[in-house]
Parts: sequence; structure tokens; C-alpha cells
Amino acid sequence: AQSVTQLDSQVPVFEEAPVELRCNYSSSVSVYLFWYVQYPNQGLQLLLKYLSGSTLVKGINGFEAEFNKSQTSFHLRKPSVHISDTAEYFCAVKVQGAQKLVFGQGTRLTINP
Amino acid sequence: KAGVTQTPRYLIKTRGQQVTLSCSPISGHRSVSWYQQTPGQGLQFLFEYFSETQRNKGNFPGRFSGRQFSNSRSEMNVSTLELGDSALYLCASRYSSGGPYNEQFFGPGTRLTVL
Repeated sequence: AQSVTQLDSQVPVFEEAPVELRCNYSSSVSVYLFWYVQYPNQGLQLLLKYLSGSTLVKGINGFEAEFNKSQTSFHLRKPSVHISDTAEYFCAVKVQGAQKLVFGQGTRLTINP
Repeated sequence: KAGVTQTPRYLIKTRGQQVTLSCSPISGHRSVSWYQQTPGQGLQFLFEYFSETQRNKGNFPGRFSGRQFSNSRSEMNVSTLELGDSALYLCASRYSSGGPYNEQFFGPGTRLTVL
């Protein structure tokens, strides 16, 4: 079975500082990887995804993530955060050929002015 | 194009009652998935429907059921509600069932509180 571990439940950073949200996964088969963002009282919005090819993936709102197969990681980064980035971020995996997404527990990103 | 809509947005029920939640997918999308989100268990997959057929089911008791209509709208039903069923229920739609290339779009969710 697949599993996703988001290593930090909460990450506080100052505005305009860089941030990295960590995600590790476990799977014996090839997977696709995703990062979603959830703003308060809203559903999930896809930030970016890794399907194949280049291991550095760029997404919306200035976010990017790097797939590292040897370390089974898919960390999310942004060089300079804004107050509007305050939200909960979810890493997810999808086994090739399967229907469902398996999510991590989420990381709450708080931006301080 | 309108997004995924879920009704109602908020719901309060008491233990033992049953509840029906509704999800209208994006126009043209034929696949609808349901997820339960709780602080303790996080986001967990309930089931997926495609063309009125359940394609996949998560590890939930039989009290949780769903269906999909010919217009792709989906409902999920929870019978004999328990306190632990309090959660945000998210619906997601996509064009087809298979493959990663068609993105899942999530609705805002229905917040169910069981007293």
C-alpha cells in the first residue's frame, strides 16, 4: 500500500522568506505525485504535479517541487512567500493505473508579516 | 465554466439519523470522487463513480454509499450517523476515470456535524 508523510504539521515563516514543505512517500510501484493547497473554507486546488520527465516541476503561484526517486521525496518550495500563501498544503500520490489519491496529513503554512 | 458545486455547504444532524450530500461536477466531467476530511484521519478516499458505475471504493463501512445519475451528478448517503462521521466531505470531478493527465477539480465541501 502507498503512504505519504508530510514531515511538518505546521510551518511558520516571515513574509518574503523562502519556504520548503517536505513530503516523503512510500510505494513499491511507480506513482504520480501532486501538491494541493486548501484555503480556509474552500476545497483543494492543484498546485503542481509530477507525472514523468523533468524532476523539477513548476506550478502556480510561484511554487515548484523536485521529485527525488532515490529519497522518495517530493518537497515543495517557494523562494519568497506572501501573506496570501497562508493555507494548508497537501502532498498526494496516485499509483499508476489506480483511481484514488492518497494524501498526506497536511502542512499548515502560516505567514507572519 | 462553473466549478464543482456541493450542497448543502453545512449540515447538522444527530446520531442515528441519515444524511444525503449532493455534488454537481463540472460540465462534461463524467467521473466523480468523494473524500472525507477529518483532523485525525486527514483526507481519505470514499469512492469514485464513472458513468453511473462505482469504479473504486475506499475502506469505509457499508453505512457510506453513493450513486451517480445519468447527468453525472452524484450523491453520497450516510446512514445511522455516528459522532465520528463529523467531517468535511469533498467531492472531486474529472473528465474521465483513468489516467493522471486529467486533473481532479475539487468542490468546496460539505461540513457535516453530528451531535
